[in-house]
Amino acid sequence: QSVLTQPPSVSAAPGQRVTISCSGGSSNIGRTTLSWFQQLPGTGPKLLIYDTNKRPSGIPDRFSASKSGTSASLDITGLQTGDEGDYYCAVWDSSLDALLFGGGTKLTVL
Amino acid sequence: QVQLQQWGPGLLKPSEILSLTCAVYGGSFSDFYWHWIRQPPGKGLEWIGEISHSGSTNYSPALRRRVTLSLDTSKMHFSMNLTSVTAADTAVYYCARMGRAGDLLTWGQGILVTVSS
Repeated sequence: QSVLTQPPSVSAAPGQRVTISCSGGSSNIGRTTLSWFQQLPGTGPKLLIYDTNKRPSGIPDRFSASKSGTSASLDITGLQTGDEGDYYCAVWDSSLDALLFGGGTKLTVL
Repeated sequence: QVQLQQWGPGLLKPSEILSLTCAVYGGSFSDFYWHWIRQPPGKGLEWIGEISHSGSTNYSPALRRRVTLSLDTSKMHFSMNLTSVTAADTAVYYCARMGRAGDLLTWGQGILVTVSS
């Protein structure tokens, strides 16, 4: 069971918007920045967001993220079938001195 | 553009030592942290540990007693050893580079390691 809690699954129709949440604590999300990763079927993880709300070069602005207190969220607008996959939040925990990953959220584009 | 290329055994027996190496192409070790992450089949990502360019390390509390990370700047590669492997260590193992902004942008190709008698 992860210290970072994500919903196991979310779904929405193409073109719609979906939000994936990541809940943590004062020693991780409440203390520092976090990242989000996308993992499409059969591929490795890909960095979508870092430093809580920054996108690496090449990541479309359909992907955005924010945090408030000890929770964070990833928003995906204009959903495409190619967005189907697993999404993970990740953050450094200062109490554990360890990088934590959320349990992952499976996105289905109906 | 930096690339990470990893190698190691695909099959181990229980109690053996897993050794993986990740080579860095097109970049330097300085100013980065070098990570190992694994993913059991059908499960989520699990962080194993990190090593800085100067050799300081942090390990997952769950694996701390069995894992050791090292780096060889002359050969531009970093490595991990995991002792006393069991079937629970069966996973795809990734190496990755973290920049100053905490961005795990660059990943190795991943290696499936299976532990089976």
